Amino acid sequence: DGGITQSPKYLFRKEGQNVTLSCEQNLNHDAMYWYRQDPGQGLRLIYYSQIVNDFQKGDIAEGYSVSREKKESFPLTVTSAQKNPTAFYLCASSMGVMNTEAFFGQGTRLTVV
Amino acid sequence: DAKTTQPTSMDCAEGRAANLPCNHSTISGNEYVYWYRQIHSQGPQYIIHGLKNNETNEMASLIITEDRKSSTLILPHATLRDTAVYYCIVRVSRGSTLGRLYFGRGTQLTVWP
Repeated sequence: DGGITQSPKYLFRKEGQNVTLSCEQNLNHDAMYWYRQDPGQGLRLIYYSQIVNDFQKGDIAEGYSVSREKKESFPLTVTSAQKNPTAFYLCASSMGVMNTEAFFGQGTRLTVV
Repeated sequence: DAKTTQPTSMDCAEGRAANLPCNHSTISGNEYVYWYRQIHSQGPQYIIHGLKNNETNEMASLIITEDRKSSTLILPHATLRDTAVYYCIVRVSRGSTLGRLYFGRGTQLTVWP
């Protein structure tokens, strides 16, 4: 089955620790995205990548980092510099950035205590 | 910058048609309208998209006005499983934000028995 997989579904970390969220897709999509969602809010774009070895900051990139070494994978690291890291994180992919539907993973709920 | 306006919430009786409106008065000529929905604590699910013609698929119909300043998503026979937040999105077609999906707060649709 083709799809986009995020792991883990729930993640707990202590304040001050970096944590990496996994996102893998086997849809052969070029573009991948990371969004953050807070309770009662819409999604906000953190980073996106149009092609391997290339990525751009979204609207709320501070305190986050990404890499795109493989087409299938787009991991997101939440660093200790992110002031409010507790949130629901969603990864998505699409064939390209223009006029194609994006497919979303099931999300990772990160709680920092 | 969400380029769309939607009602905060709507409800609908099971088996009846659910008509979800969206205003996008600043839409540009080559920008598509996309609809997604998000069931609580899951990733958004693509529903349908269109440019200027009405569109229909197995999930829904999309009616776009002739001036393209508004659209309506129609779920012809709503079921309890259609209860979700519905997002109307205009996909940016030019400039530094090429291709981005801006998710606003969407419309919470509640289908009641």
